[in-house]
Amino acid sequence: DVQLTQSPSSLSASVGEKITITCRASQSINTYLHWYQQKPGKAPNLLIYDASTLQGGVPSRFSGSGSGTDFTLTISSLQPEDFATYYCQHSYNIPRTFGQGTKLEIK
Amino acid sequence: QLQLQESGPGLVKPSETLTLTCDVSGGSSGTSAYYWAWIRQPPGKGLEWIGAIYYSGTSYQNPSLSGRVIISADTSKNQFSLKLTSVTAADTAVYFCARAPLGTKAAGSFDIWGQGTAVIVSS
Repeated sequence: DVQLTQSPSSLSASVGEKITITCRASQSINTYLHWYQQKPGKAPNLLIYDASTLQGGVPSRFSGSGSGTDFTLTISSLQPEDFATYYCQHSYNIPRTFGQGTKLEIK
Repeated sequence: QLQLQESGPGLVKPSETLTLTCDVSGGSSGTSAYYWAWIRQPPGKGLEWIGAIYYSGTSYQNPSLSGRVIISADTSKNQFSLKLTSVTAADTAVYFCARAPLGTKAAGSFDIWGQGTAVIVSS
């Protein structure tokens, strides 16, 4: 199985700050890497697919980059609604796996 | 706008079989442009892919579930289902159904999710 390791596991930041979350794969997965945002009691919401393509309706302050084994999700200027948990997920092979999540909290 | 809705029992006894259904509305589940998946999330934990079914009827499951998973689809009813056999307390989770595109750059991402249904395994 492809293991995805996110860092950090939790992050405290302020509104307006720029933050970066990293997802490292245990083997090369090309760009078969996607990012989700999940708020408490809700289903995850797709933010970015194919490592860097913004899903429709997602604000442009979200961006993704990377290929191979190292990927990043960046939020350029945090808004109050961005405080949530973020997950990466690969679709390189079966089984699909998710990172363990990064909880983004308000400082 | 396509929507997904999970349904099933909220409480299942240990060793029994959990059966969940996902109803697809606002679109068709009988299309080769997508596949349909089940994902779960234990309380306070991360996401686990359970398995998926394709338009052809081919299904895949996570090997970590030791062959306990059966995923089927009924395109005439526009729904797909999950059966998880021999459940234990470790299967307590919120279960989500989701849609994944095929054949595009978004292939394999989960672009539409149901709201989730909570299942507790307890006697």
